[in-house]
Amino acid sequence: GDSVTQMEGPVTLSEEAFLTINCTYTATGYPSLFWYVQYPGEGLQLLLKATKADDKGSNKGFEATYRKETTSFHLEKGSVQVSDSAVYFCALEGIHGGSQGNLIFGKGTKLSVKP
Amino acid sequence: DSGVTQTPKHLITATGQRVTLRCSPRSGDLSVYWYQQSLDQGLQFLIQYYNGEERAKGNILERFSAQQFPDLHSELNLSSLELGDSALYFCASSATGGRNYGYTFGSGTRLTVV
Repeated sequence: GDSVTQMEGPVTLSEEAFLTINCTYTATGYPSLFWYVQYPGEGLQLLLKATKADDKGSNKGFEATYRKETTSFHLEKGSVQVSDSAVYFCALEGIHGGSQGNLIFGKGTKLSVKP
Repeated sequence: DSGVTQTPKHLITATGQRVTLRCSPRSGDLSVYWYQQSLDQGLQFLIQYYNGEERAKGNILERFSAQQFPDLHSELNLSSLELGDSALYFCASSATGGRNYGYTFGSGTRLTVV
């Protein structure tokens, strides 16, 4: 079945460092891909999305490009801030049958940014 | 505020008990999804309702059930609770029941079974 694999955390960076969180997926067809962020004590917020191959999603300085040839959707940010400390989840949206519209999540990557 | 309201925010109950979690979707959204977030299983899809009808089922235990009412709010019922049911339960809503390109989550209900 469809699945998402993202890099294990935690990831600890200094402020202004470059961030990459790897995400790869297994799916039939071309599902929409998402990054969600969960700040401490809060729910999930949609960070960015891409709905077809070669699309680049971007928001708040974060970017991710839908690469069908490598089945990847890596999250990047050029200069992280302390306020970016959170757990980041990569997800795909099922497109077939009963899984249509449902999200399949990776296990999450905890990011801590130190001043 | 995401527009999706979940109550209660915290719930502590004993093993064997039954609880009900409530979700009010964002105004205008017809579809409601329930997810469970636990340390060992991560985020798992439980069940989806669209305009009052069950649309899809995921890894939902038989001890759990849900429904969506005519006013579109949804309830997740958890019975014969076990220690392993302790988790964060999220509700999400979207405008449609098909491909949505992302949906809106509530802030969750943290269930602790003791």
